[in-house]
Amino acid sequence: GESVGLHLPTLSVQEGDNSIINCAYSNSASDYFIWYKQESGKGPQFIIDIRSNMDKRQGQRVTVLLNKTVKHLSLQIAATQPGDSAVYFCAETYAGNNRKLIWGLGTSLAVNP
Amino acid sequence: DAEITQSPRHKITETGRQVTLACHQTWNHNNMFWYRQDLGHGLRLIHYSYGVHDTNKGEVSDGYSVSRSNTEDLPLTLESAASSQTSVYFCASSAAGRVETQYFGPGTRLLVL
Repeated sequence: GESVGLHLPTLSVQEGDNSIINCAYSNSASDYFIWYKQESGKGPQFIIDIRSNMDKRQGQRVTVLLNKTVKHLSLQIAATQPGDSAVYFCAETYAGNNRKLIWGLGTSLAVNP
Repeated sequence: DAEITQSPRHKITETGRQVTLACHQTWNHNNMFWYRQDLGHGLRLIHYSYGVHDTNKGEVSDGYSVSRSNTEDLPLTLESAASSQTSVYFCASSAAGRVETQYFGPGTRLLVL
């Protein structure tokens, strides 16, 4: 069935290091991929997205990489800060499911000072 | 500033009671969504609306209903609350044609005893 999964449920990094959060997806029809960040006690917050016709997209301190060959998505956070501590969700969507988001289970990122 | 609000933030109710969770957005977004979030399941879509008088079932719609009488509001009703509906509920909205960029409310924590 459809699924968006994660390789690592938890990730612990040192402040200042780079973080890489991975996500695997199974639906070849998915054409839009999104990363959200959820801080404790809050709703998810959009970070960055990427269309399937792109391999890489950069934002402020974040980069998303898409490898369609192996159905893999990653979020890279440069110079990780304590404020980056949160749960990160990947999501996918495609036209055939009325553009609903299919959410992964999330990866918890802990930044150690 | 535009925002999306949910009320109440916390609710305790008894099995069998009808409960309505409110969601109000001032973004003037066409799209609105209700999710529930439980440990181990991530975010699961309950119902969604792509415009006034439009409602659609998500993956876990049984026992829930919504109505969309205006752009700003999408109340979620639990017809007869069950203990399995104890969860954190998030409302979200997005602009027309931009399902991937959703703005989330702060969530409602519901306990059904």
